[in-house]
Amino acid sequence: GDSVTQMEGPVTLSEEAFLTINCTYTATGYPSLFWYVQYPGEGLQLLLKATKADDKGSNKGFEATYRKETTSFHLEKGSVQVSDSAVYFCALTLARAGSYQLTFGKGTKLSVIP
Amino acid sequence: NAGVMQNPRHLVRRRGQEARLRCSPMKGHSHVYWYRQLPEEGLKFMVYLQKENIIDESGMPKERFSAEFPKEGPSILRIQQVVRGDSAAYFCASSPRGQERLDTGELFFGEGSRLTVL
Repeated sequence: GDSVTQMEGPVTLSEEAFLTINCTYTATGYPSLFWYVQYPGEGLQLLLKATKADDKGSNKGFEATYRKETTSFHLEKGSVQVSDSAVYFCALTLARAGSYQLTFGKGTKLSVIP
Repeated sequence: NAGVMQNPRHLVRRRGQEARLRCSPMKGHSHVYWYRQLPEEGLKFMVYLQKENIIDESGMPKERFSAEFPKEGPSILRIQQVVRGDSAAYFCASSPRGQERLDTGELFFGEGSRLTVL
């Protein structure tokens, strides 16, 4: 079945450090890919998305590129802030193929210290 | 503009009791999804409902679990005769449309209801 694997956390970084959270997927079709973020005490929010190969999603300084050849969608940010501390989830859907589901990774907790 | 509201935020039940989790979607949203997050796991799809209809329940356990989304009022996820393995965070999400919004990731999630079974 479809699955998403993301790097284990927790990840602790100093402010202004470079962030990479790895995400790879397996899917029977051609999925759309997402990163969601969950800040403390809040629900999940869509951070960025990419719907086809080589698309780059970006938002709030975060970026991720849809790499079909490596089935990856790694999240990056050049300079993290304390306010980026949250849990990050990589996800996919095959909605265009008729699925009603999002498939999530386990989440990676990021803590940014001043 | 209120977001997706879930209640209760925390629920404690003893084995064998019933748990009812409620989800009020965003105003104007007629599509509701329920997900479960077990400890150390990602969110797992449970069920997708539209008003008065269950569209996809392929992620629901076969027994003890049921969901509804009536014409009026919130969506309800009901767990009968709870067991310790039901302890998890249950998330609800809503969207104004179905698959087209899902394909763009435009789901709006609630903060979750955390069920603890003693």
